[in-house]
Amino acid sequence: NAGVTQTPKFRILKIGQSMTLQCTQDMNHNYMYWYRQDPGMGLKLIYYSVGAGITDKGEVPNGYNVSRSTTEDFPLRLELAAPSQTSVYFCASIIAGGKFGDEQFFGPGTRLTVL
Amino acid sequence: EDQVTQSPEALRLQEGESSSLNCSYTVSGLRGLFWYRQDPGKGPEFLFTLYSAGEEKEKERLKATLTKKESFLHITAPKPEDSATYLCAVQADSGTYKYIFGTGTRLKVLA
Repeated sequence: NAGVTQTPKFRILKIGQSMTLQCTQDMNHNYMYWYRQDPGMGLKLIYYSVGAGITDKGEVPNGYNVSRSTTEDFPLRLELAAPSQTSVYFCASIIAGGKFGDEQFFGPGTRLTVL
Repeated sequence: EDQVTQSPEALRLQEGESSSLNCSYTVSGLRGLFWYRQDPGKGPEFLFTLYSAGEEKEKERLKATLTKKESFLHITAPKPEDSATYLCAVQADSGTYKYIFGTGTRLKVLA
């Protein structure tokens, strides 16, 4: 299993540009999440999904959109990029009831800079 | 409003010097409290989930405990490779499946 994969690893956008951050998991997990992490801060939930076709807002959804057409993929769309969206973005999926409890698997992150 | 506060923000220990990290939380009803380790430039790595007050879980030099208001991550005889940021998160039992994260404790273990 590759786990949770994210592309691209790095991206620089100009103000007003749009892009899609890709996230794929091969573990057949129903729950998937998008977070952003600013320097020295914890993770803020942007959007999450409990299954294909079902998404909901987290703490900081403004400026972002998501879709979930398959179990495996959960892309995050940025429309009209702004400097405030400069951050590291993490995608995660969850398996319930592991040896140490519900376990959230994270991808390696996408580092986005908006200039 | 659900909230998670971690302390201290940063901690420097000598190798072998045991200590504890704190995670205090305010949530309407707790479904689970989660501990993660994060190395620089990487995604968080799951450590433990605790579900009810009094519960404890242990892995190598790490032990997590839970009360009704806070959780502790005890690190016994730490090694330099334990240096990382440790994140705490809670999930409310409201059925929303959302996680609220604290800002983390940056741990540095000196050889």
